[in-house]
Amino acid sequence: ETGVTQTPRHLVMGMTNKKSLKCEQHLGHNAMYWYKQSAKKPLELMFVYSLEERVENNSVPSRFSPECPNSSHLFLHLHTLQPEDSALYLCASSQESGTRTNEQFFGPGTRLTVL
Amino acid sequence: AQSVTQLGSHVSVSEGALVLLRCNYSSSVPPYLFWYVQYPNQGLQLLLKYTTGATLVKGINGFEAEFKKSETSFHLTKPSAHMSDAAEYFCAVSNTGFQKLVFGTGTRLLVSP
Repeated sequence: ETGVTQTPRHLVMGMTNKKSLKCEQHLGHNAMYWYKQSAKKPLELMFVYSLEERVENNSVPSRFSPECPNSSHLFLHLHTLQPEDSALYLCASSQESGTRTNEQFFGPGTRLTVL
Repeated sequence: AQSVTQLGSHVSVSEGALVLLRCNYSSSVPPYLFWYVQYPNQGLQLLLKYTTGATLVKGINGFEAEFKKSETSFHLTKPSAHMSDAAEYFCAVSNTGFQKLVFGTGTRLLVSP
């Protein structure tokens, strides 16, 4: 595997289900991100992890729970979601080194549908 | 706060025609600016970025963008469109070294034969 991978690619769940999205980066990066991409809206940054510590949480509802067990893996645990949470969830990674701005590499996304 | 405005949710061109995708930003400090492309069923891929230095930035696949501070713009161009350029394009701004990107709503480029 190369780059950033995400599983599953598609997920359909009911509002009472619990599921998890998985992201893995094979680039040796030290920062990982979750974004939400909804139709007609800008990408929304949800969470940022740097060196496995959460450094950003953009007022995301508690029904989304991230986990970063190591620098290569990032999870998004989902429970009691709402239909408006249906979207494409993108994972990204980057190598952060002080003040340098480095490229974020994105995975293909998980298309989530909440019924 | 930073923001990005992409004019036109859809742009249609003929193959071989000039591509122009517009992006205007607001930022209280000198910005870093990016263009990403998203092909169907794929994640975002960086086309080009402006940080400092030369205001005309060349990217992959023949795309380029020019940073115009006076106009707060960072429009994306390509002299001759190819069918494979059909995709969604996102402009983004950041004013920190740490990658906190603010994205526009995207422009879908349609290329007809």
